[in-house]
Amino acid sequence: AQKVTQAQTEISVVEKEDVTLDCVYETRDTTYYLFWYKQPPSGELVFLIRRNSFDEQNEISGRYSWNFQKSTSSFNFTITASQVVDSAVYFCALRPWSSASKIIFGSGTRLSIRP
Amino acid sequence: GAVVSQHPSWVICKSGTSVKIECRSLDFQATTMFWYRQFPKQSLMLMATSNEGSKATYEQGVEKDKFLINHASLTLSTLTVTSAHPEDSSFYICSATKRGDNQPQHFGDGTRLSIL
Repeated sequence: AQKVTQAQTEISVVEKEDVTLDCVYETRDTTYYLFWYKQPPSGELVFLIRRNSFDEQNEISGRYSWNFQKSTSSFNFTITASQVVDSAVYFCALRPWSSASKIIFGSGTRLSIRP
Repeated sequence: GAVVSQHPSWVICKSGTSVKIECRSLDFQATTMFWYRQFPKQSLMLMATSNEGSKATYEQGVEKDKFLINHASLTLSTLTVTSAHPEDSSFYICSATKRGDNQPQHFGDGTRLSIL
């Protein structure tokens, strides 16, 4: 099976707290890409990161960081010092090499940051 | 960066009407375009893949006669929802990619379709 599981449907935290969004994927491919997208209430998809399966280095971009663990098939996303503007739905996604560029999206995590 | 324009942003129309949504790649040639549908509080589900100059490939469960896709040029794909009904109300998003295995997908801003 090729799928992405985001077990957390909704998360609500108070501003300035750190929050981690979980993502677990399944694929039979040894080569694949993983993504995170943000979807604010306006609806557009905002690209956050793309990581290929051969690059397990963790990445940090400002308040955002990603932890890729092939051993557990996870690609978790952490926001430190959260802000109200971070409120959105976040999608983790998988693009297996054999998929002819098709992207498989997780069900999304709705993140609410309370002031 | 690569830009994909989707038009219209939102549309409201009566049941039975056919609605056309356009997806344009503004600064690159898109050999492949994808159409997704997103129901409220749900994920994006791929409807079909369209390659320039050939027939679209539809995902299982998507009616090809209901959702007509045309990809006549390297910068434009259209999705026509024929004889739309209230259950077709959804958020439709397109994405476009260039030729090549390593090319990213660039998403349009989506079209919110409401059928009364």
